[in-house]
Amino acid sequence: LAKTTQPISMDSYEGQEVNITCSHNNIATNDYITWYQQFPSQGPRFIIQGYKTKVTNEVASLFIPADRKSSTLSLPRVSLSDTAVYYCLVGDWSNYQLIWGAGTKLIIKP
Amino acid sequence: IAGITQAPTSQILAAGRRMTLRCTQDMRHNAMYWYRQDLGLGLRLIHYSNTAGTTGKGEVPDGYSVSRANTDDFPLTLASAVPSQTSVYFCASSDSNTAGNGYTFGSGTRLTVV
Repeated sequence: LAKTTQPISMDSYEGQEVNITCSHNNIATNDYITWYQQFPSQGPRFIIQGYKTKVTNEVASLFIPADRKSSTLSLPRVSLSDTAVYYCLVGDWSNYQLIWGAGTKLIIKP
Repeated sequence: IAGITQAPTSQILAAGRRMTLRCTQDMRHNAMYWYRQDLGLGLRLIHYSNTAGTTGKGEVPDGYSVSRANTDDFPLTLASAVPSQTSVYFCASSDSNTAGNGYTFGSGTRLTVV
């Protein structure tokens, strides 16, 4: 199971673009990269998942370089409500035992 | 609204007592999971179920048991609670046959064992 490394915390300001990078040097061929968001007293919420190159949805973009040893979650024009913990997970999407790290605590300031 | 329902929302339990945390999903997902989350840490998998009728052990299964009698329900039982089981418990589900959807989580049960 691939282990991930993320910054413990980050802060930014409203209206800015925020990029959170995750390292996963031992990612396997069948592994996908998935990001979740968690607010206090709530369960994590799925944000985005990708395998290679770039994936974009209505809330975020995920950039994955060719070697797939890292990935970057990009949040465009953040607001105060984006303050949360963001988790990067790596694993086969049919694998039931993904490892959750401590995540990145993102604080958005006015 | 489709999703996962967990009950109770919170509970204070005396050590040594038996407790079952309930989890129900209405998305017909084949896989379900129980996680615990301790303060400031990520989630740790307790037990999982690939499909109705099967269960498996996760990272921290000791002191917990599960059953999966049907697709929708996945209860977690603490046979004899201990203070170290004080935690927030999250139930989740996924359609393991479809990439790109990730896990859907419930709102959690905050359990305090005293």
